[in-house]
Amino acid sequence: DIQMTQSPSTLSASVGDRVTITCRASQSISGSLAWYQQKPGKAPKLLIYKASSLESGVPPRFSGSGSGTEFTLTISSLQPDDFATYYCQQYNSYSLTFGGGTKVEIK
Amino acid sequence: QVQLVESGGGVVQPGRSLRLSCAASGFTFSSYGMHWVRQAPGKGLEWVAVISNDGSKKNYADSVKGRFTISRDNSKNTLYLQMNSLTVEDTAVYYCAMRASYTANDIPPSFFDYWGQGALVTVSS
Repeated sequence: DIQMTQSPSTLSASVGDRVTITCRASQSISGSLAWYQQKPGKAPKLLIYKASSLESGVPPRFSGSGSGTEFTLTISSLQPDDFATYYCQQYNSYSLTFGGGTKVEIK
Repeated sequence: QVQLVESGGGVVQPGRSLRLSCAASGFTFSSYGMHWVRQAPGKGLEWVAVISNDGSKKNYADSVKGRFTISRDNSKNTLYLQMNSLTVEDTAVYYCAMRASYTANDIPPSFFDYWGQGALVTVSS
């Protein structure tokens, strides 16, 4: 299985900060990467697919980049609603696998 | 609008069985492959299983292969997950999830643009 490694596992930031989360794949997954946001007690919400395509309705302060084995999710200006846990997921091959998550906390 | 509603969760003893259901509405259920994804308490997400739109193709995570069975009833717009020989490691919230893209009796690896609210399964003696 392809292993997905996210860093950092926890990130403390303030409203207005630029935030970057990294996701590394154990082998090349081309651009088959998605990012999700999850809040406590809720299902994950799709933010980005195909590494850099913004899901409809997601604010443009979210962006994704990368290909192959290294990917990033960037929030250009952190908003109060953005404090949550973020997961990457590869869909290059089965078994589908997720990163361990990055919790974005209030500084 | 797309709605996925899981049911059937609860507390079950190790070694016993449980069946989860996912009722779908707001879309043509028979056109889309469906997945189960789980999340242990305080942990990350783990993909569990997938089934093609017509039920002819299935795939499972190694951690559940041989114990769990995914199925669907397109006449009832319902997805199922039969879980046998449960262990404490199966304790999790189970989500049904889908990508709203027609895949013609196939199960290509995918991301998920729709999720249910989840059903909690607790395996405990």
